[in-house]
Amino acid sequence: QVQLVQSGAEVKKPGASVKVSCKASGYTFTTYDINWVRQATGQGLEWMGWMNPKTGNTGYAQKFQGRVTITRNTSIGTAYMELTSLRSEDTAVYYCAREGSGLFHVLDVWGQGTTVTVSS
Amino acid sequence: DIQMTQSPSSLSASVGDKVTITCRASQSISNYLNWYQQKPGKAPKVLIYAASYFQSGVPSRFSGSGSGTDFTLTISSLQPDDFATYYCQQTYSTPYTFGQGTKLEIK
Repeated sequence: QVQLVQSGAEVKKPGASVKVSCKASGYTFTTYDINWVRQATGQGLEWMGWMNPKTGNTGYAQKFQGRVTITRNTSIGTAYMELTSLRSEDTAVYYCAREGSGLFHVLDVWGQGTTVTVSS
Repeated sequence: DIQMTQSPSSLSASVGDKVTITCRASQSISNYLNWYQQKPGKAPKVLIYAASYFQSGVPSRFSGSGSGTDFTLTISSLQPDDFATYYCQQTYSTPYTFGQGTKLEIK
């Protein structure tokens, strides 16, 4: 079945970087864009950015510009989100999600989430 | 950035009730509006896309409407499985911002 499987939980110190992976299966990885969304504990959803896996083109929310990089490895159908210069406010669950076909950028398949904890 | 404002932030209702959640955009977004349901500890799940179209497999008690700046999600007859948090998201322009969420609780 179509699914996105993310890497496991991470604990990082302030100032460090984290790289979360998102492995696609059950569909052709290069056909659908991947988005990244995060959610701090007890808070709402925050959109971070997107990537076209075929071309590698990306777009990021201004809030994360300069700190986030989304990449992919098409040979293994995996997307990555790297966030640098971590601070305590980056403690959150990070989700990857597939954009379905069509014009409306619907996030129709989600990963299970990866908890990133930033603590000294 | 386009701001999305949902109301109410929380709502108590009973099984069988009809409930309506509203979402307002800070500028016109045509019908580039999607609704998601999220349960504790789980990833969100899309219910409605393009303001009023059902995602495959979503029960018909869910419906969406609106265009421009004002949108609604209606659940015609609440079922126990519907108690969750609901988010709207605009996909008219990046960043694809979400509303702050509406937590639907059992009365």
